[in-house]
Amino acid sequence: EAQLVESGGGLVQPGSSLKVSCVASGFTFSSYVMHWFRQAPESGIEWLAYITPDSSNTHYAEAVKGRFTISRDNAKNTVDMQLSSLRSEDTATYFCGREMTITAVFEYWGQGVMVTVSS
Amino acid sequence: DVQMTQSPSNLAASPGESVSINCKASKSISKYLAWYQQKPGKPNKLLIYSGSTLQSGTPSRFSGSGSGTDFTLTIRNLEPEDFGLYYCQQHNEYPLTFGSGTKLEIK
Repeated sequence: EAQLVESGGGLVQPGSSLKVSCVASGFTFSSYVMHWFRQAPESGIEWLAYITPDSSNTHYAEAVKGRFTISRDNAKNTVDMQLSSLRSEDTATYFCGREMTITAVFEYWGQGVMVTVSS
Repeated sequence: DVQMTQSPSNLAASPGESVSINCKASKSISKYLAWYQQKPGKPNKLLIYSGSTLQSGTPSRFSGSGSGTDFTLTIRNLEPEDFGLYYCQQHNEYPLTFGSGTKLEIK
């Protein structure tokens, strides 16, 4: 069974950086497009970025373009999101998701990791 | 960006009843609408995609309909495990966008 587990969340100050990671198991990680999402407290889900299987292409939501960077390591079955210049409005639970092949829908999600940006 | 307007925000029903949740896109997304269930402490669960295609493992009491801008998720004969949050997501274009969610509670 496919599984995604996020890590790396925490409390950080505005303007700082943080890396959240997602480790995959139970499937051939290197074959799938991977995505990151977030959900602010009591709010809806926001798509953030994707990365293709060979890392040749990435795409970002405008809200995070230039501040967040998605990357992956197929040897370690991990997909990371580097969060920089963090703001209070970046406070959210961050999720990774596996795209069902060429559909932009997500059949597997992690349980998420909380990032709190506060002084 | 495609704005997704989901309604109602809250819904109360009893086991055995049927409910419908609506999702309206700000422009045509053809058939490319997915539905997810969210429960505390559990990964989001894909229920339906491409408007009406049931994901493997989704019970047949769930159905999706619609195209263009208007879509509906219908759950017939509600089971206790169906209560939770439901989100729609358009998968026609980037950025992918989600509805604001519907909380389905036990009456």
